[in-house]
Amino acid sequence: TQLLEQSPQFLSIQEGENLTVYCNSSSVFSSLQWYRQEPGEGPVLLVTVVTGGEVKKLKRLTFQFGDARKDSSLHITAAQPGDTGLYLCAGGPTDSNYQLIWGAGTKLIIKP
Amino acid sequence: DSGVTQTPKHLITATGQRVTLRCSPRSGDLSVYWYQQSLDQGLQFLIQYYNGEERAKGNILERFSAQQFPDLHSELNLSSLELGDSALYFCASSVGGGGLPNEQFFGPGTRLTVL
Repeated sequence: TQLLEQSPQFLSIQEGENLTVYCNSSSVFSSLQWYRQEPGEGPVLLVTVVTGGEVKKLKRLTFQFGDARKDSSLHITAAQPGDTGLYLCAGGPTDSNYQLIWGAGTKLIIKP
Repeated sequence: DSGVTQTPKHLITATGQRVTLRCSPRSGDLSVYWYQQSLDQGLQFLIQYYNGEERAKGNILERFSAQQFPDLHSELNLSSLELGDSALYFCASSVGGGGLPNEQFFGPGTRLTVL
């Protein structure tokens, strides 16, 4: 069974600080997605990475897919209160194009 | 706006009752997924349909069932409701055609409260 572990589970930092959230597995994934969810709303897709070593930037957010396609990280520079939310990673199994394996999420709070 | 619609937005009912949640996927998407999210928890995958056929089951209770209709909308039926069924229920859709990263687009959810 493929699993994705996210760390930390919870992170509370001050506005302006940098942070990194991790998504790790012992299994290889064909793709890795990051979603952000605000309270009471559905998750919103932020980015998809598909190539080992791939780096994608979305304004102050930098996403990296590990060389072996087993892990990923999300780095936020100069965090803002608007970044507050639950960050979920989801991996596409190599034996299925239809399913996603979900991490449990990192709850991020950015204090003004 | 993801293009996925869910109704109703809120639902309050009593234990033992039955409810139906409805989802319309994005235009062109053939796959529909149902998820349950309890308070401060991650997403629990319930079931997936692709073009009207059940494709995968997750942690779905026997009291729960779903179907996808010819027009591709889907319904999730929850019966003999218990207090622990109170949660947010999300529907997501994807193209689902294979050969692509399975990017899922979520609806706004239905908040179910069982009293």
